[in-house]
Amino acid sequence: EVQLVESGGRWVRPGGSLRLSCAASGFNFNNYNMNWVRQAPGKGLEWVAYIGSSSYTINYADSVKGRFTVSRDNAKNSLYLQLTGLRIEDTAIYYCARQETYCSSDSCSDPLDYWGQGTLVTVSS
Amino acid sequence: SSDLTQDPAVSVALGQTVRITCRGDSLETYYASWYQQKPGQAPILVLFDKNTRPSGIPDRFSGSRSGNTASLTITGAQAEDEADYFCHSRDSSDNHVFGTGTTVTVL
Repeated sequence: EVQLVESGGRWVRPGGSLRLSCAASGFNFNNYNMNWVRQAPGKGLEWVAYIGSSSYTINYADSVKGRFTVSRDNAKNSLYLQLTGLRIEDTAIYYCARQETYCSSDSCSDPLDYWGQGTLVTVSS
Repeated sequence: SSDLTQDPAVSVALGQTVRITCRGDSLETYYASWYQQKPGQAPILVLFDKNTRPSGIPDRFSGSRSGNTASLTITGAQAEDEADYFCHSRDSSDNHVFGTGTTVTVL
């Protein structure tokens, strides 16, 4: 059974730092691209960061670029998100999600087929 | 534009059909994926690629695409389908992007 379990969320003051972790099990972690997605209270989903299976390709949303760093340790089946320079608007549930890629004859899609239960980051003074 | 736009809310009578739409330029290049999210729960994938359901998703969920618009249709809506639905695709920078979300109410 595929499982993704996030941890590390807590209350932190503006300007503070935090490291989130996502422990993966039930699949060959080093074969999959991974993502972080967040959801502010009462709001929609916002993609945060992507990391390829070998960490060669990494992308960030403009809202976190330069402040957040995504990484992974395939030997430990773990995904990480380092959050620095935290702002009040970073308050959200942070989900890790596994990415698949499917291509038909005319197009492709990259569904996030498994999600963790999320970890809450609260930024306030 | 890299945005994906959805209607904020729709309602459907029990057993009837509802269509949720998602509009965005990237949908002319990429298929949308669709996620269902119930209060206090993580999103779950309900549809992806041209019209593919993950294992365990009922066949009352189906998808289509026309131009820059993707649609998720629930045929014979059930009470348990009441939830928020988000579309998802890539943007012009090849980053992921989510739709604004649609709340489905089953009457």
